[in-house]
Amino acid sequence: AQSVSQHNHHVILSEAASLELGCNYSYGGTVNLFWYVQYPGQHLQLLLKYFSGDPLVKGIKGFEAEFIKSKFSFNLRKPSVQWSDTAEYFCAVSSNQAGTALIFGKGTTLSVSS
Amino acid sequence: DAGVTQSPTHLIKTRGQQVTLRCSPKSGHDTVSWYQQALGQGPQFIFQYYEEEERQRGNFPDRFSGHQFPNYSSELNVNALLLGDSALYLCASSPLQGRGYTFGSGTRLTVV
Repeated sequence: AQSVSQHNHHVILSEAASLELGCNYSYGGTVNLFWYVQYPGQHLQLLLKYFSGDPLVKGIKGFEAEFIKSKFSFNLRKPSVQWSDTAEYFCAVSSNQAGTALIFGKGTTLSVSS
Repeated sequence: DAGVTQSPTHLIKTRGQQVTLRCSPKSGHDTVSWYQQALGQGPQFIFQYYEEEERQRGNFPDRFSGHQFPNYSSELNVNALLLGDSALYLCASSPLQGRGYTFGSGTRLTVV
């Protein structure tokens, strides 16, 4: 069965600090990988996704993630965080077959102080 | 605007009661998935509907059932509510032949 592990439950950073959130998945086949963000009181929004090709994926708001197949990892990075990045971040995986369900990690709460 | 519409936004029910949550998918999407997000947890997959049939199901009891209508909208029904069913219920729509998902804002269910 697919599973997703997010290593950091709560990360606290100051503005301008660099961010890296860990994500590892367990699945035997070819996968699609996603990072979603949930701002307080808002719906889940897609930050970035990986289907195939270049393992370094760039998303919205300056976020990027790197797919390392040998490590079953898809870590999220941002060089310099802002106060507005305070949110819950979720890593998710699905089989690369169209229409399959997303499996989410438990999420990482990011708190950025100004 | 998320493109996926869920109703109601909030709901309070008593243990043992039944509840129905509704979802209208994004225009052009024909597949609807339902997720339960407990406080402090990631969304857990409940089931997915396509062509009015349940296509995949997560590890949820039979008390959770659903329906999809010809216009692709969907309902989630939960019978015999338990306190542990209190959560944010999310609907996500996608095109079956695509790999993108759009989430609604969710329905916050509180069971007392």
